Amino acid sequence: EAQVTQNPRYLITVTGKKLTVTCSQNMNHEYMSWYRQDPGLGLRQIYYSMNVEVTDKGDVPEGYKVSRKEKRNFPLILESPSPNQTSLYFCASSLSATRDEQFFGPGTRLTVL
Amino acid sequence: QKEVEQDPGPLSVPEGAIVSLNCTYSNSAFQYFMWYRQYSRKGPELLMYTYSSGNKEDGRFTAQVDKSSKYISLFIRDSQPSDSATYLCALSMIYNQGGKLIFGQGTELSVKP
Repeated sequence: EAQVTQNPRYLITVTGKKLTVTCSQNMNHEYMSWYRQDPGLGLRQIYYSMNVEVTDKGDVPEGYKVSRKEKRNFPLILESPSPNQTSLYFCASSLSATRDEQFFGPGTRLTVL
Repeated sequence: QKEVEQDPGPLSVPEGAIVSLNCTYSNSAFQYFMWYRQYSRKGPELLMYTYSSGNKEDGRFTAQVDKSSKYISLFIRDSQPSDSATYLCALSMIYNQGGKLIFGQGTELSVKP
C-alpha cells in the first residue's frame, strides 16, 4: 500500500529534551516536506526537500532540523523543544513541489511541557 | 498580508444544502490550485486539482478558479454528513528552481442530518 508513515503518533515531552519524529514514504517520491498545523493558522511549512541531500527552509523553520540521507526518509529533529512547538505535525511527499498531489502522513501530536 | 486567505468558519449547514468555500490570494504567479479535505485526526487528502481559470466538476464537487480576481472556490452540491471535515485550499507556483506551495487556514464544515 502506498503510504507515508510517521512515528510516534503522540508524544508528550519536556522542554529541552531532544526528540526526533520519523517520516518514511514508499512511493519513490522526490519531494518531501514537514508542516505544523495550529488552530487558526492552517498548515505551515517547516522544511522541505527537493531530493536526497537537498533541503531548504519553509515558512517556520526556527527550532527545527531535518536531514535527507535516503530518498524514502525525512526525519524532523527538535534539538531543544519549547512549549511553543506544541502542535500537530504532518509529513508529506509528492513527485514534485508544485503540480502533483501531496500525500500526507497520519500526523504526530506533540506536547512540550 | 497573507499570500492566501481562507475564512476559517466554522460553517454549519443542513444536509442537502449547497456549500461554497472560498480562498483569495495575492500573488498572480500561482499556477496550480487545489482543494484538500481533512477529516478529524487524519492527514489532508487531495479532493480537487486545477490549473486554469474556469470550472472543474467531479460528482457533487465543483472547483472554480478566477485568476483575474485571484479567487478560488469549492462548491459542494447536495451536501452530506460525510462531507463534514476541514477543507483547505492550496496554491502552488514554480519558484526558486523548485516550487512553492501555500495552504489556506482551512474551513471547518459541519453538515447536520
